[in-house]
Amino acid sequence: GQQLNQSPQSMFIQEGEDVSMNCTSSSIFNTWLWYKQEPGEGPVLLIALYKAGELTSNGRLTAQFGITRKDSFLNISASIPSDVGIYFCAGQLGYGGSQGNLIFGKGTKLSVKP
Amino acid sequence: SAVISQKPSRDICQRGTSLTIQCQVDSQVTMMFWYRQQPGQSLTLIATANQGSEATYESGFVIDKFPISRPNLTFSTLTVSNMSPEDSSIYLCSVDRGADTEAFFGQGTRLTVV
Repeated sequence: GQQLNQSPQSMFIQEGEDVSMNCTSSSIFNTWLWYKQEPGEGPVLLIALYKAGELTSNGRLTAQFGITRKDSFLNISASIPSDVGIYFCAGQLGYGGSQGNLIFGKGTKLSVKP
Repeated sequence: SAVISQKPSRDICQRGTSLTIQCQVDSQVTMMFWYRQQPGQSLTLIATANQGSEATYESGFVIDKFPISRPNLTFSTLTVSNMSPEDSSIYLCSVDRGADTEAFFGQGTRLTVV
């Protein structure tokens, strides 16, 4: 089946540092989504990307839709303790509202040391 | 985004029993989705809950094990039947806005089977 390779699997950083994580695939995606999941909660959508090359920011978060449509990255600048959580990428193979085409990465677990 | 409420938020169940999880959305949506997130793993789509017709199950999931109801456009239930410890997971309800692929999640139900 289709797979997303998300890396790194986990990160331990100092408060104030910048963070970068990415997802790659052998398949071409039409949409990339980035989610954050905190303990005991469902994933919360951070950024949605719809066009190859698109660069979108949400506060200290920046994500890009790779030009080949096979990858995406998420950057977090000046990390703070509340950034702790698991970050998931998700790519959609087709168009439209069917989540049957939505593939999730395995997640990047972020720990921030104050 | 939609407000999605799941009940229960967590439960500990005996093997061989069944648990029904409820998902309530604050607005009418065409499709609702159920995911499983096994410990330390990513999200796997179980099925799409269609209003007025049977749910559509993904490969590896069957109706006898995960019966789903969708009585109206704002509510769905997922039952985990004849549970075993391998069913211990977080179960998540999700909706999208139809034309977009942005999936919005409930807070999840953490199930432990003993």
